Amino acid sequence: GAGVSQSPRYKVAKRGQDVALRCDPISGHVSLFWYQQALGQGPEFLTYFQNEAQLDKSGLPSDRFFAERPEGSVSTLKIQRTQQEDSAVYLCASSFPRGRTEAFFGQGTRLTVV
Amino acid sequence: GDSVTQMEGPVTLSEEAFLTINCTYTATGYPSLFWYVQYPGEGLQLLLKATKADDKGSNKGFEATYRKETTSFHLEKGSVQVSDSAVYFCALITANAGGTSYGKLTFGQGTILTVHP
Repeated sequence: GAGVSQSPRYKVAKRGQDVALRCDPISGHVSLFWYQQALGQGPEFLTYFQNEAQLDKSGLPSDRFFAERPEGSVSTLKIQRTQQEDSAVYLCASSFPRGRTEAFFGQGTRLTVV
Repeated sequence: GDSVTQMEGPVTLSEEAFLTINCTYTATGYPSLFWYVQYPGEGLQLLLKATKADDKGSNKGFEATYRKETTSFHLEKGSVQVSDSAVYFCALITANAGGTSYGKLTFGQGTILTVHP
């Protein structure tokens, strides 16, 4: 596609439920990032992939958060046993080549845990 | 660690007014600096960037100059329009000691701009 696509756009989960958020990056983009944006705050880094390799997961807030990009294109962010504090917008971004180049963002998935 | 601090908002202006949104940063390496904009209902978009000291980024009438001596990257526009109403984020990417970076962004908290006719 022309841009980064995320699905679903909105997700309501009951506390304790597992969720999976999908990101389709721009075709050919090597780098893929996940960010978490709480209400009224700037995005915060969660994890980074270079192709299929997860090179940095230092921002994942707990072991309930897991991300994968098995074929170096589509990525999934999974949150197990969701809690209310997980409510946020989850943003995916991709870029090519690596380094200080522009990152293109998707519209995000708004997760609400009730 | 790296951090970005933006002026607190929201900012409300009349059309054709002058805009300044302050941004200062703390970084251990050699940052590249960015302004991203988020229009209502849309994703984050790069507005402008500067990769080294004294560089000026510009786009759509917006400008920001990379000031290493004051660790600042203030966003300015001489005459705002209603269509500029959005949330603006200052951000940086830091190179590691080897001068490389994979592009991880550190963002400020965002400034909401509302422009009235």
